[in-house]
Amino acid sequence: QKEVEQDPGPLSVPEGAIVSLNCTYSNSAFQYFMWYRQYSRKGPELLMYTYSSGNKEDGRFTAQVDKSSKYISLFIRDSQPSDSATYLCAMSEWSQGAQKLVFGQGTRLTINP
Amino acid sequence: GAGVSQSPSNKVTEKGKDVELRCDPISGHTALYWYRQSLGQGLEFLIYFQGNSAPDKSGLPSDRFSAERTGGSVSTLTIQRTQQEDSAVYLCASTPIGGAGNTIYFGEGSWLTVV
Repeated sequence: QKEVEQDPGPLSVPEGAIVSLNCTYSNSAFQYFMWYRQYSRKGPELLMYTYSSGNKEDGRFTAQVDKSSKYISLFIRDSQPSDSATYLCAMSEWSQGAQKLVFGQGTRLTINP
Repeated sequence: GAGVSQSPSNKVTEKGKDVELRCDPISGHTALYWYRQSLGQGLEFLIYFQGNSAPDKSGLPSDRFSAERTGGSVSTLTIQRTQQEDSAVYLCASTPIGGAGNTIYFGEGSWLTVV
């Protein structure tokens, strides 16, 4: 079993829909929870970052962490065609002096105009 | 530079040849990471540097893979006797010492194709 599980999709929704992306994890030592967005043939860019359980909102994006269930989510409201990308969840723990990131497989999302 | 710089951006090589991939981290970032991303897959950790030393190289898939970092800056990932399964995007990231998860920045990657 992988440390981080993420449904690879693909996921296709109409413009304006609410998108829900999810990951589960097994390692209780994970402290930081991130969502990265990756456009085709580009490097991942940090989208959302949370430390504790609860919700964090940034514009149209909301990140949710439930440590008791080992489950994290990313919600995108009023989705736009420009949101079409691969979304990677990532979790980290301190290991030998630095953050060690463990990634999910990524969910490929398409927003249809 | 302003961001993490990687070269070459694209590399096509013949099976059995050696390749070198270069990463130039953000100035002042002491920690440097290499990840590999195969087609349609998530990122697989390869190795991590703190300064010039590599306290965690647990992700290197075989002894054909090696990496070094000099001057606490530029890092080179070397793959010897390349195989077709080595075809992937090799991503480099850097962060300041003790940086939290929100300070890790990735380069655009080196896209390696072994034919």
